[in-house]
Amino acid sequence: NAGVTQTPKFQVLKTGQSMTLQCAQDMNHNSMYWYRQDPGMGLRLIYYSASEGTTDKGEVPNGYNVSRLNKREFSLRLESAAPSQTSVYFCASNWDRANQPQHFGDGTRLSIL
Amino acid sequence: AQKITQTQPGMFVQEKEAVTLDCTYDTSDPSYGLFWYKQPSSGEMIFLIYQGSYDQQNATEGRYSLNFQKARKSANLVISASQLGDSAMYFCAMRGAGGTSYGKLTFGQGTILTVHP
Repeated sequence: NAGVTQTPKFQVLKTGQSMTLQCAQDMNHNSMYWYRQDPGMGLRLIYYSASEGTTDKGEVPNGYNVSRLNKREFSLRLESAAPSQTSVYFCASNWDRANQPQHFGDGTRLSIL
Repeated sequence: AQKITQTQPGMFVQEKEAVTLDCTYDTSDPSYGLFWYKQPSSGEMIFLIYQGSYDQQNATEGRYSLNFQKARKSANLVISASQLGDSAMYFCAMRGAGGTSYGKLTFGQGTILTVHP
């Protein structure tokens, strides 16, 4: 049971480099999300996608772009990485019903030097 | 806007005892859902329990129960018979059911629970 798969698990970047975090889910969920987790601040929503072809900003979208490639895949791109983007990134997905929990990937630990 | 507050940065409990983790929330949505997640040191997010704003009874899932007091806007997690494996970070989260809040989770800052043998 794969669930939500994120790649890579770890990455170190230099300031100004770009990279794309990949996320795929095999549960046929319509909605997908990207969060970042910083110490002492819980998880904060970066972007989300309610369905294939749609994306919208969350609480902390600056410095990021997303692509909902198809129903399964939702990628997060850092165009010019900054040290402030050092964080753990989680992808999640869920059914569009109020009582359905979001299923999370294992996270990507990203360090920007 | 939705807001979740967890006022206990850390909690300690003796093995086999019960513990309550506090969560208060604020929202203008008439309908919403409340979730608790567990994050062990390995980092994954594990769903524990859900409470809907219109549910008449408090949710229970095994050793986990949710003490939902709608008028006080609180949704405290109760863990009975604590086990060493319960040591983890616990997050309270809320999802709106309409408008701009629909579908999106807002998380609290988390509570670190340590279970002592």
